Amino acid sequence: DVKVTQSSRYLVKRTGEKVFLECVQDMDHENMFWYRQDPGLGLRLIYFSYDVKMKEKGDIPEGYSVSREKKERFSLILESASTNQTSMYLCASSLVGRLHEQYFGPGTRLTVT
Amino acid sequence: QQPVQSPQAVILREGEDAVINCSSSKALYSVHWYRQKHGEAPVFLMILLKGGEQKGHEKISASFNEKKQQSSLYLTASQLSYSGTYFCGTERSSGGSNYKLTFGKGTLLTVNP
Repeated sequence: DVKVTQSSRYLVKRTGEKVFLECVQDMDHENMFWYRQDPGLGLRLIYFSYDVKMKEKGDIPEGYSVSREKKERFSLILESASTNQTSMYLCASSLVGRLHEQYFGPGTRLTVT
Repeated sequence: QQPVQSPQAVILREGEDAVINCSSSKALYSVHWYRQKHGEAPVFLMILLKGGEQKGHEKISASFNEKKQQSSLYLTASQLSYSGTYFCGTERSSGGSNYKLTFGKGTLLTVNP
């Protein structure tokens, strides 16, 4: 059974803190993605990675960075968390190339106070 | 640029049919459909590639009109289990064999007994 796991379901951080969100997949997928989901805005792509140490900006990368040191793990980093980064963060993975479905993790609900 | 989904929300009684539309201002190479139940991760339903192609998943089918740059999701004889938010994702190239999805804002479907 394919699996994408995220390190925390709920996280509360203070403004200015550095935040790490971890995602691990066990399907040997090349592609990994970070989305944020906000009411009324749908899923918006923050960053994605198509190989180890390779990354590409999505539609809303400002305020975020990512790290992919191993194929199975993709980390999202908030260098200095702000209240407007309070959101649901979803990680996904897929095989490389077109026409492959994305498998999503359960999400991390991050609250920045 | 996000594809536009309509309607934003729909309420059905069990057994009724519904259509969810997804349209884009840019040329579509393929369309993905996902369903997200409350509190859960999005789950892949189907991919449509060719213009006019229809695919099915249980009693859920979809069409893709390349000329009109739109896709429609058809839910027939709806069941309670169909409740959730439906997202369409349109595929765009990121260079080479890398592709990423841009998701619409979602359509909330509620099926009542």
